[in-house]
Amino acid sequence: DSGVTQTPKHLITATGQRVTLRCSPRSGDLSVYWYQQSLDQGLQFLIQYYNGEERAKGNILERFSAQQFPDLHSELNLSSLELGDSALYFCASSVDLAGYETQYFGPGTRLLVL
Amino acid sequence: AQTVTQSQPEMSVQEAETVTLSCTYDTSENNYYLFWYKQPPSRQMILVIRQEAYKQQNATENRFSVNFQKAAKSFSLKISDSQLGDTAMYFCAFMTGGGKLIFGQGTELSVKP
Repeated sequence: DSGVTQTPKHLITATGQRVTLRCSPRSGDLSVYWYQQSLDQGLQFLIQYYNGEERAKGNILERFSAQQFPDLHSELNLSSLELGDSALYFCASSVDLAGYETQYFGPGTRLLVL
Repeated sequence: AQTVTQSQPEMSVQEAETVTLSCTYDTSENNYYLFWYKQPPSRQMILVIRQEAYKQQNATENRFSVNFQKAAKSFSLKISDSQLGDTAMYFCAFMTGGGKLIFGQGTELSVKP
């Protein structure tokens, strides 16, 4: 158990819908990272938040957005869902004092868009 | 752009034997970290080992060790005394300052009894 929690574990929805994935980092970790794992794209970095502020953006679609709340939990919002958004979405967290700390991953949310 | 390449999509090893997974990366940076993560059938991403680029000594964690060749930009993982529980997908990953992880495509390792 990494100490990072993600809910829900599974999500099945239809094209065009909107979903919210939730992540709670390990106690004491200030940074949250979101990654997408799909068969065709592999594991890709989406976005990073540090202590409530967006720090880095990767290959995140405009239909996707995220935020980190004062209690440091984070939500990833996916809207206007397409079949290709079906993937495993991971949240990871780190202390991130100097930018090189190890990231610990949550169990992931498996999203299936039908 | 930084890239990570794992040239072995699949590998297999007999229980109790040793196996080495390959990883190469491309970067112009001097300060970075390298990681191996394991993803068993449960799909959980589990840290196996990490290596700081400024350290010449290769990292070890119990049965897991790395061979880090900075000049060659190579970072292989050696698993000794392989166990059935080592069956998983293994990902090599590269991190620069700021924390973004760049992953390779993975190597699926099967440990056979």
